[in-house]
Amino acid sequence: GAGVSQSPSNKVTEKGKDVELRCDPISGHTALYWYRQSLGQGLEFLIYFQGNSAPDKSGLPSDRFSAERTGGSVSTLTIQRTQQEDSAVYLCASSPDSLYAGYTFGSGTRLTVV
Amino acid sequence: GQQLNQSPQSMFIQEGEDVSMNCTSSSIFNTWLWYKQDPGEGPVLLIALYKAGELTSNGRLTAQFGITRKDSFLNISASIPSDVGIYFCAPIYNTDKLIFGTGTRLQVFP
Repeated sequence: GAGVSQSPSNKVTEKGKDVELRCDPISGHTALYWYRQSLGQGLEFLIYFQGNSAPDKSGLPSDRFSAERTGGSVSTLTIQRTQQEDSAVYLCASSPDSLYAGYTFGSGTRLTVV
Repeated sequence: GQQLNQSPQSMFIQEGEDVSMNCTSSSIFNTWLWYKQDPGEGPVLLIALYKAGELTSNGRLTAQFGITRKDSFLNISASIPSDVGIYFCAPIYNTDKLIFGTGTRLQVFP
């Protein structure tokens, strides 16, 4: 696609429920990144994919968080048993390769856990 | 981990004024990037700096890669209302991911 697409754009969920957030990177981009941005805060790195592999998942906050990427394209970030502190904007970005200086970001998914 | 300090945290200026913000770190980097985030959107790359001492301009934006490779600044001249947003520095040192500064929130009043 022309840009990085994320869905849903907004998600409200009850505490304890599982959620899935989707990212469609730019076609042909091999590297894909997930970041989290809490209200008024900076961008916190979560996980990075090169192809379908995740060489760096050091930013995942807990084992309730997981992500996968299939076909070197779409990625899904799953949060199990959501907690209120998971409320944030989840941003996805892609780049042509892992050494490319600069990503293209999607508009994010705003997650609210009530 | 790398300590990355971005300042100021926020700025409230009048349209037409110049703006300056900077990032400093205890670590050395090979590349400095500056991003802008409009409300409700993801960050967008503004300027990339690849060489210590490099001064690069993009319209009303000017950025410099510090000679020590530990800092960078971004200037915006003659600010306009659409400059409103959050500005992030994001340095790279042979890593596969960007680490972002805490951001500078810019508000421009007419």
